[in-house]
Formats: sequence, structure tokens, C-alpha cells
Amino acid sequence: SQTIHQWPATLVQPVGSPLSLECTVEGTSNPNLYWYRQAAGRGLQLLFYSVGIGQISSEVPQNLSASRPQDRQFILSSKKLLLSDSGFYLCAWSPIKSPLHFGNGTRLTVT
Amino acid sequence: SQQGEEDPQALSIQEGENATMNCSYKTSINNLQWYRQNSGRGLVHLILIRSNEREKHSGRLRVTLDTSKKSSSLLITASRAADTASYFCATDATTAGNKLTFGGGTRVLVKP
Repeated sequence: SQTIHQWPATLVQPVGSPLSLECTVEGTSNPNLYWYRQAAGRGLQLLFYSVGIGQISSEVPQNLSASRPQDRQFILSSKKLLLSDSGFYLCAWSPIKSPLHFGNGTRLTVT
Repeated sequence: SQQGEEDPQALSIQEGENATMNCSYKTSINNLQWYRQNSGRGLVHLILIRSNEREKHSGRLRVTLDTSKKSSSLLITASRAADTASYFCATDATTAGNKLTFGGGTRVLVKP
């Protein structure tokens, strides 16, 4: 069966520090991969999605970037965090044209 | 921008009652999906309804889709305390790949 791992679960970082969140999927090949951000009490905003290695689509211009160095690995990064980067970050995967499967999320607080 | 908008934003009911929430969207879609999120956790897929379907059932869940009104509803029958969660609709309007746009969600509290 397929599983998705996302870490860390919580993170507190100072403004201006770098960020690296990692997500890996097991049990499937060539998945679509996604990074979403959720503000408190709100819906999900799609940040990045990828349909293959090295193929990244950015949905919202911002202080973040994403990379897919391996088929089942998706990384969300920032060189310098802003206060507005605080939120709940969710990684997800899907086969083509199928529902999304989410990780348990990372709660990021930028202080 | 958010494609789907849920109504109501919050819902409080007694155990055993039915819970109904609605979702409206703006553009043509290929399918609409409903997800559930327990507090502080990732989302879990509940049900998918395609644009050519009008109603779908899964256990105690019933979903309807009215493409002429660009709206969908999720009904949870005989609710349980364990149904307490936030529920999100998500629309897929793409022809290539699978890129969902989520609404703001409905927070459901089921009181025992």
C-alpha cells in the first residue's frame, strides 16, 4: 500500500532563517505531488505541484520554492522566511486523475 | 482564488441528527470531491462525484451535484461524535493532471 511521510510535524523558525520541508511517498511510481498551505481556520491554497522529476509548477508567486530531486521526494524551501509564511503545510500525492492523499502536515510558526 | 465556497462555515448538531453542507463553485468542472480534516491533521478523501453524475452514496454520506447551479451538497446521516471535523469541497477543472481547488470548509461539531 502507498504511504506518504511528511516531516517535521512542527517547526518554529525565526524570521530570515531558511526552511526545508520534506515529503516522501512509498509504494507508487511517478505520482503527482503537491504542496498546499492552510491558514488557520481556512481552506487550502495550492503552492506547487509536480507531474515528474524536475517538473515544478508554481501557483502563487511567493517567498517559497519547491524541488523534486527524486520520483517520490518533494521538498519545499525558502531562503529567508517571512512572518507571513506561518501556516500549516500539507504535502499530497495522487495518481493521474484520482483523489489526493495527504500527509499529516507541518505546523510552521515564524517568529 | 478559491473555486469552491462552503456554506455554512460552521455547524453544530446533536448526535443522531443529519448534517448538511453546501458547496458552490464558479467554473465548469470535471469532478468535485469532498474531504474531511480532523483538527491538526491532513485531509482524507471521502467521495468523488463526476460532472455527469447527480448523486452518489458512500455509507452514511450522500453527495449531490447540480452542474446547472454549480453547486454540491454533502449529507451526513445519523451523525456521530466522531464525525466532528472540518469538511472541504474541492473542484477539478483541469483536463490534464489533477489540480484541485479547495473551498474554505465547513466546521462540524457533533455533540454527544
